[in-house]
Amino acid sequence: AQTVTQSQPEMSVQEAETVTLSCTYDTSESNYYLFWYKQPPSRQMILVIRQEAYKQQNATENRFSVNFQKAAKSFSLKISDSQLGDTAMYFCAFMKPYSGAGSYQLTFGKGTKLSVIP
Amino acid sequence: DAGITQSPRHKVTETGTPVTLRCHQTENHRYMYWYRQDPGHGLRLIHYSYGVKDTDKGEVSDGYSVSRSKTEDFLLTLESATSSQTSVYFCAISDRVSTDTQYFGPGTRLTVL
Repeated sequence: AQTVTQSQPEMSVQEAETVTLSCTYDTSESNYYLFWYKQPPSRQMILVIRQEAYKQQNATENRFSVNFQKAAKSFSLKISDSQLGDTAMYFCAFMKPYSGAGSYQLTFGKGTKLSVIP
Repeated sequence: DAGITQSPRHKVTETGTPVTLRCHQTENHRYMYWYRQDPGHGLRLIHYSYGVKDTDKGEVSDGYSVSRSKTEDFLLTLESATSSQTSVYFCAISDRVSTDTQYFGPGTRLTVL
């Protein structure tokens, strides 16, 4: 079974600064997908970024980028130029690739609560 | 945003009563999922569906059943609600034809007294 660990329950960052959220995972799979989801106070789960394990290039979406270290099983999220609207819970998640009817199950970490301070 | 709605959005019920939560999608996606979110646990998969009438259990399926008679609807039923089932329930959808990414509904807060 896969496990996902987010070792930072809470973090804070000054507006306009950069912050990095950590995520490690444990799997015996060689191909998989990794995701970061954001959950603001509205409770909606919003996809931030995704990474395919077979791609060496780190994914980037505007101010959000990841540092994917496959050998170390690490998948950190960097938020640049932090904005007040980035205040949210951030969840790291793992997905196995397709292998039959039991596929596509997301395994989530417990989350990191990020506060952006004005 | 993916067209996913959940109903009801909030519900308070008593122990021992049956409860059904509904997830409705307008994206015609094949895969649908039910998760629960509890403090200190993140989101955990309850059941999922990979087609009409095709469902399977997830990590925390005890006490829950599901049904999918149409592509667009996925129902989660608590046959006899217990206080341990107080949680926030999320539905998600995905379509492997274009992506493996799961998109989530707005959630349902269920309180069992």
